[in-house]
Amino acid sequence: NAGVMQNPRHLVRRRGQEARLRCSPMKGHSHVYWYRQLPEEGLKFMVYLQKENIIDESGMPKERFSAEFPKEGPSILRIQQVVRGDSAAYFCASSPGTGSSGNEKLFFGSGTQLSVL
Amino acid sequence: GQQLNQSPQSMFIQEGEDVSMNCTSSSIFNTWLWYKQDPGEGPVLLIALYKAGELTSNGRLTAQFGITRKDSFLNISASIPSDVGIYFCAFYAGNNRKLIWGLGTSLAVNP
Repeated sequence: NAGVMQNPRHLVRRRGQEARLRCSPMKGHSHVYWYRQLPEEGLKFMVYLQKENIIDESGMPKERFSAEFPKEGPSILRIQQVVRGDSAAYFCASSPGTGSSGNEKLFFGSGTQLSVL
Repeated sequence: GQQLNQSPQSMFIQEGEDVSMNCTSSSIFNTWLWYKQDPGEGPVLLIALYKAGELTSNGRLTAQFGITRKDSFLNISASIPSDVGIYFCAFYAGNNRKLIWGLGTSLAVNP
């Protein structure tokens, strides 16, 4: 009974390269969320997706960041032309989507630590 | 915007002691959530509160949703070393399951 799986756990990129972070939700979950966490801070919402649809991307930077959750395969958070300020822990969460917006339980993965040199 | 104030920022206690931490907000919420994050891991949901005045326990953890719906506290009784971690409060904002998080309370337990 695997939980939310994220890979890689650690990703090192040089400035200007692309970073691709993957998230496989829990079995039976069709809703995926991406959050970013800087050291000694809480998580910051980035984007909420359902299969093949972006529901809310109000937390995503307007440039260089994109997310997808295809019909088949994991959700991908893509950061183009990374800069040092992109260094953070990126967490994915999933939920079954059966609850209302106020009581849906989210299950988090272990995160991807992105370091930009 | 909606803000969460979480206190204390950090705590260092002896094993066996009880712990109390709280969250306050400038807005009224319908749900309070308490999560724990271990180093290098994602947050894990501890307790969810849905009604004003609600008091809920999960083992040695007890949390309450304030009557005014603007605050919540989390108590840990008889702390043990594995309680070490960062405790976050969070609430749902809007209709799209977006969670807003406090800055966390870092707990250290001296065996």
